[in-house]
Amino acid sequence: QKEVEQDPGPLSVPEGAIVSLNCTYSNSAFQYFMWYRQYSRKGPELLMYTYSSGNKEDGRFTAQVDKSSKYISLFIRDSQPSDSATYLCAMRRPGQNNAGNMLTFGGGTRLMVKP
Amino acid sequence: GAGVSQSPSNKVTEKGKDVELRCDPISGHTALYWYRQSLGQGLEFLIYFQGNSAPDKSGLPSDRFSAERTGGSVSTLTIQRTQQEDSAVYLCASTPTSGSDTQYFGPGTRLTVL
Repeated sequence: QKEVEQDPGPLSVPEGAIVSLNCTYSNSAFQYFMWYRQYSRKGPELLMYTYSSGNKEDGRFTAQVDKSSKYISLFIRDSQPSDSATYLCAMRRPGQNNAGNMLTFGGGTRLMVKP
Repeated sequence: GAGVSQSPSNKVTEKGKDVELRCDPISGHTALYWYRQSLGQGLEFLIYFQGNSAPDKSGLPSDRFSAERTGGSVSTLTIQRTQQEDSAVYLCASTPTSGSDTQYFGPGTRLTVL
């Protein structure tokens, strides 16, 4: 079983829809959570970062963490065709010094927002 | 400023050949990571460099894989005697320090082993 599970999709939604992307994890030692966005043929870029349970909002994006359920979500409001990309969740344990801040990634969910 | 660059962007090789992939991190970034991304899979950690410390090679899948980082800047990932299962996108990332969670990724090298 993978440490981090993520539905690969693809997830297809109409423009303007609210999108919900999710990851589950098995290791309760994970304390820091990130969402990366990866456009086709590009490297991932950091979108959201959080380290506590609850919600964090940034514009149209909201990251939600539920450590008790080992479940994280990314919500996108008023989705746009430019949001079409693969979204990867990532997480790490605190004090992980043997490999810097080595991140454990989910497999990514491919999102398509149709005009 | 310039981001992380990688070359070549695409590499097609024959099974059994050796390949070298190059990464130029952001200037001044001390930490550098290599990942492998197979089709539909997440990023698999390969190796980590931090300053002049010995690299963490714990993610390298076999002894056919090796990496160097010269002068604390440019890094080269070498795959010897390539196999078809080595086909993947190889991504490089750098961070300003070892304590940063914001990894800046390059566009990757797409390796195809025939």
